[in-house]
Amino acid sequence: AQSVAQPEDQVNVAEGNPLTVKCTYSVSGNPYLFWYVQYPNRGLQFLLKYITGDNLVKGSYGFEAEFNKSQTSFHLKKPSALVSDSALYFCAVSSSSSNTGKLIFGQGTTLQVKP
Amino acid sequence: NAGVTQTPKFQVLKTGQSMTLQCAQDMNHEYMSWYRQDPGMGLRLIHYSVGAGITDQGEVPNGYNVSRSTTEDFPLRLLSAAPSQTSVYFCASSTYRSSGNTIYFGEGSWLTVV
Repeated sequence: AQSVAQPEDQVNVAEGNPLTVKCTYSVSGNPYLFWYVQYPNRGLQFLLKYITGDNLVKGSYGFEAEFNKSQTSFHLKKPSALVSDSALYFCAVSSSSSNTGKLIFGQGTTLQVKP
Repeated sequence: NAGVTQTPKFQVLKTGQSMTLQCAQDMNHEYMSWYRQDPGMGLRLIHYSVGAGITDQGEVPNGYNVSRSTTEDFPLRLLSAAPSQTSVYFCASSTYRSSGNTIYFGEGSWLTVV
């Protein structure tokens, strides 16, 4: 069965420091991996995806994510956090063998960036 | 440039009432889906569709009904609302790309069942 784990309910960082939000996955076949961000009372905004190719994926708002096949991880990173990055972040996966737009989501990680 | 549009944004229902959450997309996407979001559980797939006239169940389909008569619309029906259906509902759409789908979400519908 496919699954996604985000081991941290909340991540706290100071503005200007680097941030990492962790994600591990389990999927049969080649994984399609996604990160979404949700601001309060809003929908999900797409940040980035990994389908194939370079293990380091660059996305919106200065975020990037590193795909590690051996560790089955897809951690979200940003070199210098902003207070405006404070939000709820979701990692999601689908299998390339069922590429119909269905996603399995992690439980979400709240990022709190303090001034 | 509407994207995925959901209505209503907020709704309060009494137990046993029925209602329909509307979802429309203007991107000619063949794939559409409904998710519910509950605290600490992420988003879970309720129903999905791979094209007009084709629907299938997701992870948590009980108590919900869908149909897809057009490419643009994918309504979600609550047949007899229960307090356990209090949640935030998201509609999503995407299209096939060999480089991988990007799935676009609506702004959400906040439903409270009392």
